[in-house]
Amino acid sequence: DAKTTQPNSMESNEEEPVHLPCNHSTISGTDYIHWYRQLPSQGPEYVIHGLTSNVNNRMASLAIAEDRKSSTLILHRATLRDAAVYYCILNAAGGTSYGKLTFGQGTILTVHP
Amino acid sequence: GAGVSQTPSNKVTEKGKYVELRCDPISGHTALYWYRQSLGQGPEFLIYFQGTGAADDSGLPNDRFFAVRPEGSVSTLKIQRTERGDSAVYLCASSFGGSGVTDTQYFGPGTRLTVL
Repeated sequence: DAKTTQPNSMESNEEEPVHLPCNHSTISGTDYIHWYRQLPSQGPEYVIHGLTSNVNNRMASLAIAEDRKSSTLILHRATLRDAAVYYCILNAAGGTSYGKLTFGQGTILTVHP
Repeated sequence: GAGVSQTPSNKVTEKGKYVELRCDPISGHTALYWYRQSLGQGPEFLIYFQGTGAADDSGLPNDRFFAVRPEGSVSTLKIQRTERGDSAVYLCASSFGGSGVTDTQYFGPGTRLTVL
């Protein structure tokens, strides 16, 4: 499976934008890029996913590099509720890894008031 | 609507005992996943069901772990002869199951298992 690399931790101030990077230099053409986050004492929750084009939803934006070897999750205005562990995950279409999520260590995001 | 629920929320057992952990997925979701999360680590895949059948059980650590989903809805993860190393949060997730790799997985709150 292709691997992802994320910083261990990042900090932000409330109401400021946050850019969470993810490197995936061995990504294959059929790998989707998914982001999940896990708030303290909760199960992970879906944030966003994409394949090649940048994506926006009500929670965040996903910017994907043209060569797809990296991506950035963008929280436009961080709130205290956004403090969580953010996981960048590659999910390959087809094969035995159908739907299975392989989590790494993720990035611990701290948001300061 | 109701999300994924897991019972019990906490389970404390003694080494060598048998435990069952239950997952109630979102109604209508055909795909169901079990993950295990140790302290400070990301969740680790255990098993995936599509309907009633286990489509991928490659993440089960050994034959003490077994999971069933007899009617394609509720699933039970069973652990025999528990060991202290089995202590972790066991997470269940479900998804619609229609598009596989782009399906959103909805996670339950987890069951915290402690083996003394």
